[in-house]
Amino acid sequence: RKEVEQDPGPFNVPEGATVAFNCTYSNSASQSFFWYRQDCRKEPKLLMSVYSSGNEDGRFTAQLNRASQYISLLIRDSKLSDSATYLCVVNRRGGSNYQLIWGAGTKLIIKP
Amino acid sequence: GAGVSQSPSNKVTEKGKDVELRCDPISGHTALYWYRQSLGQGLEFLIYFQGNSAPDKSGLPSDRFSAERTGGSVSTLTIQRTQQEDSAVYLCASSPLGGMAGEQFFGPGTRLTVL
Repeated sequence: RKEVEQDPGPFNVPEGATVAFNCTYSNSASQSFFWYRQDCRKEPKLLMSVYSSGNEDGRFTAQLNRASQYISLLIRDSKLSDSATYLCVVNRRGGSNYQLIWGAGTKLIIKP
Repeated sequence: GAGVSQSPSNKVTEKGKDVELRCDPISGHTALYWYRQSLGQGLEFLIYFQGNSAPDKSGLPSDRFSAERTGGSVSTLTIQRTQQEDSAVYLCASSPLGGMAGEQFFGPGTRLTVL
């Protein structure tokens, strides 16, 4: 089992709809969590960090469930420009070092 | 300001040849990362530099891979005796924060094709 797992999708969603996807992590020592967005054949860019209390940035809401070890991303009123792959990233301490573990991403396609 | 730059953008090489990939991080960023990404896959961590500390090389897949960061700025990733399975996009990222805690700013990547 991968340490960070995401449903690869694709999620095909009509414009204007709400879509949500999760990312599960297996290591309880995980400390920080992020969502990155990657457009086709482009580099990843930070979408938002995920805070323990949950956080919102415009149409995007991120939540952390430590008990069940997953983070979620919810997109409201989806736009065509939201079409991308969403990468979940987990920062955890491994011994004396920190390690960043990346999920393989969830592909989202917004249809007109 | 200028972002992370990488060169070359594309590299085609023959199996067995050595290649060098370059990364220019954002000025002032103390942390630098190398990843590779195969088609349709997530990012695979390769190596992490933080200031003057010894690099975290735990992600390097074999001893054919090495990386340097000179003067705390520019970094080069060297792959010796390239194999076809080395074909991927090699991404460099820098961050103003260490401990792998902060936002990472990625370069556009180098697409490596080994024939």
